[in-house]
Amino acid sequence: DAKTTQPNSMESNEEEPVHLPCNHSTISGTDYIHWYRQLPSQGPEYVIHGLTSNVNNRMASLAIAEDRKSSTLILHRATLRDAAVYYCILRVSSNDYKLSFGAGTTVTVRA
Amino acid sequence: DSGVTQTPKHLITATGQRVTLRCSPRSGDLSVYWYQQSLDQGLQFLIQYYNGEERAKGNILERFSAQQFPDLHSELNLSSLELGDSALYFCASSVDRTGELFFGEGSRLTVL
Repeated sequence: DAKTTQPNSMESNEEEPVHLPCNHSTISGTDYIHWYRQLPSQGPEYVIHGLTSNVNNRMASLAIAEDRKSSTLILHRATLRDAAVYYCILRVSSNDYKLSFGAGTTVTVRA
Repeated sequence: DSGVTQTPKHLITATGQRVTLRCSPRSGDLSVYWYQQSLDQGLQFLIQYYNGEERAKGNILERFSAQQFPDLHSELNLSSLELGDSALYFCASSVDRTGELFFGEGSRLTVL
């Protein structure tokens, strides 16, 4: 499966933007980029996904590099509730939906 | 609330025993996925079912088995339990094979 690389941890102040990078240099043309997050003591939660174009939803924005070898999840105004582990995942179309989660990025938000 | 229900929330058992974890997917979702999360392995994909049929298999041990019933609920059976099987087991569902996953709150299994 195509792999992703994320920083182990990031810190942010409340109400400031958070930019979470993800490298996926071996991505294939049909692989979707998915982001999930896992709050303490909860199951993972879908955040956003995209293929080539930048995407926005109520939770976050996803900026995808032109060569698709990297992407950035943007939380526009971090709140304490955004403290979680954020996973960047590639959905390989040839493998149905066998999502493989890496270690993710642990985001800490300071009040 | 994701709409995915898992029972039991907590389970403590002994080595060598067998347990069954149950998952009710969101209404209308045809796909069910099972994941295992342990401290040293992270989230590991175990198996996926779509409308009653097994569609994808991950790192699932032979001691583990799963099935999806006609009403679309799923069960994960873990047998000959070992200490290393202690983990959080998550079920997720999606509308089809490619939609976003909705995860339940997990079943925490402790093997003593």
